[in-house]
Amino acid sequence: DVQLVESGGGLVKPGGSLRLSCAASGFIFSNYNINWVRQAPGKGLEWVSSISSSSTYKYYADSVKGRFTISRDNAKQTLWLQMNSLRAEDTAVYYCMRGAYWGQGTLVTVSS
Amino acid sequence: DIVMTQTPLSLFVTPGQPASMSCKSSQSLLHSDGKTYVYWYMQKPGQSPQLLIYEVSNRFSGVPDRFSGSGSGTDFTLTISRVEADDVGIYYCVQSLQPPLTFGGGTKVEIK
Repeated sequence: DVQLVESGGGLVKPGGSLRLSCAASGFIFSNYNINWVRQAPGKGLEWVSSISSSSTYKYYADSVKGRFTISRDNAKQTLWLQMNSLRAEDTAVYYCMRGAYWGQGTLVTVSS
Repeated sequence: DIVMTQTPLSLFVTPGQPASMSCKSSQSLLHSDGKTYVYWYMQKPGQSPQLLIYEVSNRFSGVPDRFSGSGSGTDFTLTISRVEADDVGIYYCVQSLQPPLTFGGGTKVEIK
């Protein structure tokens, strides 16, 4: 079965950093583009970043450009999101997703 | 970026009755490959989104046939032929024609 499992969320102060991970299994990871999508408390879904299968292309939402970096290791079947200069408005559940498949999400809370 | 606009914001439906919701995109989602890259997801409270419909009208594996999608170009509709209590949640349309992925604001379905 396809599985995406996020980790790395937590409570961080404004200006701090976190690195989220997404461990993939059940499919050939290197064949697929993968996305990070977030959902602030009580809000809708917001795309954050995408990476192509071989890391050639990386895209970011304007709201995170210059602060977040997406990367992947196909041999380890793992996706990451390095988040720097975090702001209160980055507080959200962060999901990795591949089309039909979503992880359970990891909660990031930015608060002093 | 392609803007996805969903209406209505909420629907109150009697069990057994039909429900439909609309999604309009700011530009055509028809790709040169002939496919139209619009998807419908449903998110139950406290859960990750789950794919219902892909490429306008194709039900994803395991999705009950009371869910159907239709439309073309810029106008799309998700219909639930007979709403059940388990259908409560927020429904999102998404486009993947071109990056970035963009989501509609969601339609919340509640039971009368």
